[in-house]
Amino acid sequence: TQLLEQSPQFLSIQEGENLTVYCNSSSVFSSLQWYRQEPGEGPVLLVTVVTGGEVKKLKRLTFQFGDARKDSSLHITAAQPGDTGLYLCAGTYYSGAGSYQLTFGKGTKLSVIP
Amino acid sequence: EAEVAQSPRYKITEKSQAVAFWCDPISGHATLYWYRQILGQGPELLVQFQDESVVDDSQLPKDRFSAERLKGVDSTLKIQPAELGDSAMYLCASSFSANTEAFFGQGTRLTVV
Repeated sequence: TQLLEQSPQFLSIQEGENLTVYCNSSSVFSSLQWYRQEPGEGPVLLVTVVTGGEVKKLKRLTFQFGDARKDSSLHITAAQPGDTGLYLCAGTYYSGAGSYQLTFGKGTKLSVIP
Repeated sequence: EAEVAQSPRYKITEKSQAVAFWCDPISGHATLYWYRQILGQGPELLVQFQDESVVDDSQLPKDRFSAERLKGVDSTLKIQPAELGDSAMYLCASSFSANTEAFFGQGTRLTVV
């Protein structure tokens, strides 16, 4: 299993501040996904990045895939209380014999204080 | 909008009892995953199916856990006997193929008492 290191593990910020969450690995991924999860619910897909160097924007969220496809970042501008949740990065990698697998980081728990 | 359906949403069971979870993936999705998630942590893969075949069950505790996807559509995950340490969220996800993005159900919260 290829590992994804996610940081920080916990983040508590004031409304209106900016933040960045990082997802790093020593391995190459064919694609990387970011999910947001609220307590008691399943993860909800935010974005998929596929191409090295790719940048995608979703309103106040900006996602970047590293040039070497080994790392990714999520940047939130002017955070709002509704952004509170567990943010998960997940990477798809080729595991051999024509098969792909999906592995998750440990998550970043974000709290945005009004 | 197509969704992954899971049932039950919540399950409380006594240790040593049997428990089963059901998952119906998005129609047309060949890949189905079962994950276990401890509160506040990332999901950990238990088993991955491609159609009706198991692709990876290396992290499935096979002495007590079993999973099947007999017709390559819906799937059942069973635990027998349940242990206190099995308390967790059990998540099912599906994807069109193994190298495309996965979509999750709402999960089953299992509490073993």
